[in-house]
Amino acid sequence: NAGVTQTPKFRILKIGQSMTLQCTQDMNHNYMYWYRQDPGMGLKLIYYSVGAGITDKGEVPNGYNVSRSTTEDFPLRLELAAPSQTSVYFCASVQNGPLNGQYFGPGTRLTVT
Amino acid sequence: AQKITQTQPGMFVQEKEAVTLDCTYDTSDPSYGLFWYKQPSSGEMIFLIYQGSYDQQNATEGRYSLNFQKARKSANLVISASQLGDSAMYFCAMREMNRDDKIIFGKGTRLHILP
Repeated sequence: NAGVTQTPKFRILKIGQSMTLQCTQDMNHNYMYWYRQDPGMGLKLIYYSVGAGITDKGEVPNGYNVSRSTTEDFPLRLELAAPSQTSVYFCASVQNGPLNGQYFGPGTRLTVT
Repeated sequence: AQKITQTQPGMFVQEKEAVTLDCTYDTSDPSYGLFWYKQPSSGEMIFLIYQGSYDQQNATEGRYSLNFQKARKSANLVISASQLGDSAMYFCAMREMNRDDKIIFGKGTRLHILP
């Protein structure tokens, strides 16, 4: 089991560029989440998905899009990158069932200049 | 209104002492889960412990225990016999099962263990 994998680990974008952050889990988890963590802060939920074909907005969805065509993959798309999107992005998944801890990916450190 | 409140932005504790990290939550959902995560300076998020709203006993995992006081809506993390490696950020989180399945995090507490 690789758990939750994220690519890339680091990325520098210019303002206005677009990119996709990849997230894959091999644990057959239905629930997947994208968070951002700004320096010295907690995690804010961007988008989440409770299963393939279903996505919902979190606390800070503006400027991002997601899709969930398979159980394993949950990519996060940034369109027209802005400096305010400089952050560390974490993908997480959680086992089916009521109350279980999330498994987190290692994070993607994104800088927009 | 904040769903998860961690009132201690930072704490300094002597090695080998017990530590209590505070967490209060706000929900009207009768079915929910509470979680604690550790984030060392390396940046990864490590799941420590969880407590279900219907669990009768406080959760324990090794040196970690969760002091769950449902009526007070608090879910404090207790670390016994602290070690230098416990220095990290600690986040409390909640998942409301009947609401929207989101998992929301508090702002965290930075714990420093002093030798």
